[in-house]
Amino acid sequence: DAMVIQNPRYQVTQFGKPVTLSCSQTLNHNVMYWYQQKSSQAPKLLFHYYDKDFNNEADTPDNFQSRRPNTSFCFLDIRSPGLGDAAMYLCATSIGVGQETQYFGPGTRLLVL
Amino acid sequence: DQQVKQNSPSLSVQEGRISILNCDYTNSMFDYFLWYKKYPAEGPTFLISISSIKDKNEDGRFTVFLNKSAKHLSLHIVPSQPGDSAVYFCAASASGSARQLTFGSGTQLTVLP
Repeated sequence: DAMVIQNPRYQVTQFGKPVTLSCSQTLNHNVMYWYQQKSSQAPKLLFHYYDKDFNNEADTPDNFQSRRPNTSFCFLDIRSPGLGDAAMYLCATSIGVGQETQYFGPGTRLLVL
Repeated sequence: DQQVKQNSPSLSVQEGRISILNCDYTNSMFDYFLWYKKYPAEGPTFLISISSIKDKNEDGRFTVFLNKSAKHLSLHIVPSQPGDSAVYFCAASASGSARQLTFGSGTQLTVLP
């Protein structure tokens, strides 16, 4: 089945220790997104790639970076995680044409100790 | 400024009855609306969408209604089943908005057997 896959599902890191979350997709979609979701809040878009074009949201902290080495994979790098970065991180994809539905992966829950 | 609002954080409904989840928006540029369902520790799952050129879209037990003049949409689930218990997010996007989805804060639906 075509899908969006996120690994790992749970990630524990230490304060200030860099961490990388990964996302892959078999949908062959052009656009990949990273969202941060904290408890009882709406998902917040961090950035997205349209193909290789990177689009950062204005209020995304510099601590968050992303890489998309090819169509299928996208990575979220948190350079120096703080306690406030503990959250669910959601990857999503969309085709990239017209009015679009975004399809989400299962998410990675990040815990910062 | 919350552009998409779900004013009811929770809703309880008896199995077999109708569930009605509501969503209001303020941005008149929004022209595409989606509902997602989210179980704990999973990513949002796409349910149903509606374009602003329509006022109703139906898919099985799920119907979305759009009232553009009131900037209001609703999701009807008939009949409700215990497996429908989840958090439901309303989301909206505008053409030319760099594909950004704006989410509401979600409504926890509990269907009682």
